[in-house]
Amino acid sequence: EPEVTQTPSHQVTQMGQEVILRCVPISNHLYFYWYRQILGQKVEFLVSFYNNEISEKSEIFDDQFSVERPDGSNFTLKIRSTKLEDSAMYFCAGSGGRSYEQYFGPGTRLTVT
Amino acid sequence: GENVEQHPSTLSVQEGDSAVIKCTYSDSASNYFPWYKQELGKGPQLIIDIRSNVGEKKDQRIAVTLNKTAKHFSLHITETQPEDSAVYFCAASGVNSGNTPLVFGKGTRLSVIA
Repeated sequence: EPEVTQTPSHQVTQMGQEVILRCVPISNHLYFYWYRQILGQKVEFLVSFYNNEISEKSEIFDDQFSVERPDGSNFTLKIRSTKLEDSAMYFCAGSGGRSYEQYFGPGTRLTVT
Repeated sequence: GENVEQHPSTLSVQEGDSAVIKCTYSDSASNYFPWYKQELGKGPQLIIDIRSNVGEKKDQRIAVTLNKTAKHFSLHITETQPEDSAVYFCAASGVNSGNTPLVFGKGTRLSVIA
């Protein structure tokens, strides 16, 4: 059964550094999402992406964040200048066509020191 | 925007007993309600979902009910097993296509005691 994969599983970075989180969605999915989960809290929506552009973004997704699908398979989330409060689990998700079901990857744990 | 409340935050049951987790939502336009199971160190796994044109859906030991009038939906797990122990999240969205973000509840940590 196809799965969403994410790399790295854990990223440690210093405040102010740029990080890129990578996701390989399920191949027939058309809609892609990034969510984050601060330790012990609920999963929060960051951004959705369709047809090579952002469809919707939350208030969390400010100018420090960007997404792209550079090669038609990978889907990346970039944080330009990380802050301590960016420490969280970041989940990539995807859904296909008219399917409402969103399938999540295993997540990247980002630790900003 | 949508707000999803989930109760209880923790739930302990004896193996074999039933577990019920309840969620309420605020936006009457929401029409899709999935439930996710998250095991330690893993991503949320979709276990069951329901759309607003259905009042109940069942899949083996798991069932979900939806009351649109009251804006609440519930997850029912029967004959619980130790492997059901995890954090369960409800979510809601107003889906017109496959491109609508989910709004999650805060999660319920279910412990099934053998």
